[in-house]
Amino acid sequence: DGGITQSPKYLFRKEGQNVTLSCEQNLNHDAMYWYRQDPGQGLRLIYYSQIVNDFQKGDIAEGYSVSREKKESFPLTVTSAQKNPTAFYLCASMGRAATNEKLFFGSGTQLSVL
Amino acid sequence: KNQVEQSPQSLIILEGKNCTLQCNYTVSPFSNLRWYKQDTGRGPVSLTIMTFSENTKSNGRYTATLDADTKQSSLHITASQLSDSASYICVVGGYDKVIFGPGTSLSVIP
Repeated sequence: DGGITQSPKYLFRKEGQNVTLSCEQNLNHDAMYWYRQDPGQGLRLIYYSQIVNDFQKGDIAEGYSVSREKKESFPLTVTSAQKNPTAFYLCASMGRAATNEKLFFGSGTQLSVL
Repeated sequence: KNQVEQSPQSLIILEGKNCTLQCNYTVSPFSNLRWYKQDTGRGPVSLTIMTFSENTKSNGRYTATLDADTKQSSLHITASQLSDSASYICVVGGYDKVIFGPGTSLSVIP
């Protein structure tokens, strides 16, 4: 089945620790995105990538880092610099950026601080 | 400022009834408007996508309308089912931005 897979479903972070959220897609999409969802708020863009080996900061990139070494994979690292990391993180992909195509979302990762 | 507002914030309806959710936006330039359904603890799933020239689009019991002049959209759900209980998110695409609304939480009760 074609789709976008996020793992793990739940993740716990200790203070001062970096954690990495995985996002893999087999849809052959060029564009991939990371969003953060907090209760009662719209999704906010953390980072996006329109092509392999290139990525851009979104609206709330501070305390996060990404890489795009392969077309299929776009992992997100939540660093210790992110002081309020508890949120639901969603990865998405689209065939090509800035088009009228559908955004496909993964099932999300809930990150909590211990 | 590019913004997407949705109303109501939450809604409870009886199974079988119809309902309408509203979306107002100030995103400019405008490229497209999408409605997504998000079940609790899951990623959003696309319901409809409308461009500037389209003013209505249906997907089964879901019908979205768009008035690009007043910058308003609505999502009408007909004959609601228990499985319609979810958050419905309005998403407006600009030239190089996608702005998400906060969502309307819909609960359908028997």
